[in-house]
Amino acid sequence: TQLLEQSPQFLSIQEGENLTVYCNSSSVFSSLQWYRQEPGEGPVLLVTVVTGGEVKKLKRLTFQFGDARKDSSLHITAAQPGDTGLYLCAGFNSGGGADGLTFGKGTHLIIQP
Amino acid sequence: NAGVMQNPRHLVRRRGQEARLRCSPMKGHSHVYWYRQLPEEGLKFMVYLQKENIIDESGMPKERFSAEFPKEGPSILRIQQVVRGDSAAYFCASSSLLYEQYFGPGTRLTVT
Repeated sequence: TQLLEQSPQFLSIQEGENLTVYCNSSSVFSSLQWYRQEPGEGPVLLVTVVTGGEVKKLKRLTFQFGDARKDSSLHITAAQPGDTGLYLCAGFNSGGGADGLTFGKGTHLIIQP
Repeated sequence: NAGVMQNPRHLVRRRGQEARLRCSPMKGHSHVYWYRQLPEEGLKFMVYLQKENIIDESGMPKERFSAEFPKEGPSILRIQQVVRGDSAAYFCASSSLLYEQYFGPGTRLTVT
């Protein structure tokens, strides 16, 4: 069974600070996605990383896929209240097993003005 | 460009009734997935379908749950004889690439 552990589970910081959240597994994934989910809504896809060591930037968000494709991180620079939400990582393994995504439990992020 | 559509957004059923959840994928997407999100738990994969075919139902409970994606019309997740433990948010996702899935707003099922 593939598992994704996200840390921290909860994070509350002041507007303007930087933060990093992590997504770790003992399993290798073919690709990894980051989603953001707001209360009462579905997850919204932020980015997909496929290649080990890959770094992608989306405005103030920087995503990195570990060299061994077992872990990933999301770094937010100068956080804003609009960044508040539940951040989910999800892995896909094309090598067999279930065809669905394996999700972590998420990091609940609150950015205080 | 319409995203993934799900209806109803909220559904209340009494124990023993049937629940039908509908999902229309994004235009051009031929892969549909259903996930369940229980309170305080992560999203769990249930089933993966293509038109008229169930490709992977490894996450689906063996009893009372079924899914279909007919040639015409939306995909449907059916839960028969609902129990309180079925109360959850059910999300549908669609994709053109297997791993890049786009989610709908979900159906929140409450069993009373």
